[in-house]
Amino acid sequence: NAGVMQNPRHLVRRRGQEARLRCSPMKGHSHVYWYRQLPEEGLKFMVYLQKENIIDESGMPKERFSAEFPKEGPSILRIQQVVRGDSAAYFCASAGTEQETQYFGPGTRLLVL
Amino acid sequence: SQQGEEDPQALSIQEGENATMNCSYKTSINNLQWYRQNSGRGLVHLILIRSNEREKHSGRLRVTLDTSKKSSSLLITASRAADTASYFCATDQLNTGGFKTIFGAGTRLFVKA
Repeated sequence: NAGVMQNPRHLVRRRGQEARLRCSPMKGHSHVYWYRQLPEEGLKFMVYLQKENIIDESGMPKERFSAEFPKEGPSILRIQQVVRGDSAAYFCASAGTEQETQYFGPGTRLLVL
Repeated sequence: SQQGEEDPQALSIQEGENATMNCSYKTSINNLQWYRQNSGRGLVHLILIRSNEREKHSGRLRVTLDTSKKSSSLLITASRAADTASYFCATDQLNTGGFKTIFGAGTRLFVKA
């Protein structure tokens, strides 16, 4: 049973480009959460999704950031027109129906030059 | 919004000693969880303690929860160099549509061999 998978593991973008981060939840999990971690800081909640629905996006910046979790395929966190301040590690986590325990992926480390 | 806050921010001990990390939070919770993060890696779930539990053990880990003080502690006994990592507490807050997990800034533990 593969764990949560994220790709790419490392992503380098220039300012103004788009970044697409993918997350495949554990088999059987329908809840996906995205977090951002700045260097030397804890994780900050961004968005919580179920299949085809955004449940809570209160932690996600209103501009340039979007997330989706389609019926088929991985969840995508999309950052348009990236800026240097977007450089961080982005983790996704998935949970089953009980939602109590989240299992984390290895993260995608985004570097904006 | 509530947030788990860990202390100390950093802890350095000798191998074989015990390490105690504390976490405080602000609002009512459903459960509290501890995670470990090795440098540059994803998070690993360690232990979950429910709001009606006071103490829980898992191997060399011991977690306590005091809901009257809104605090929890993680004790690692007989520490090893491999325990060197950051440790985060996370609290689950029930929202409409499911749970939102809030993480603290973490405690950085360094175990010297």
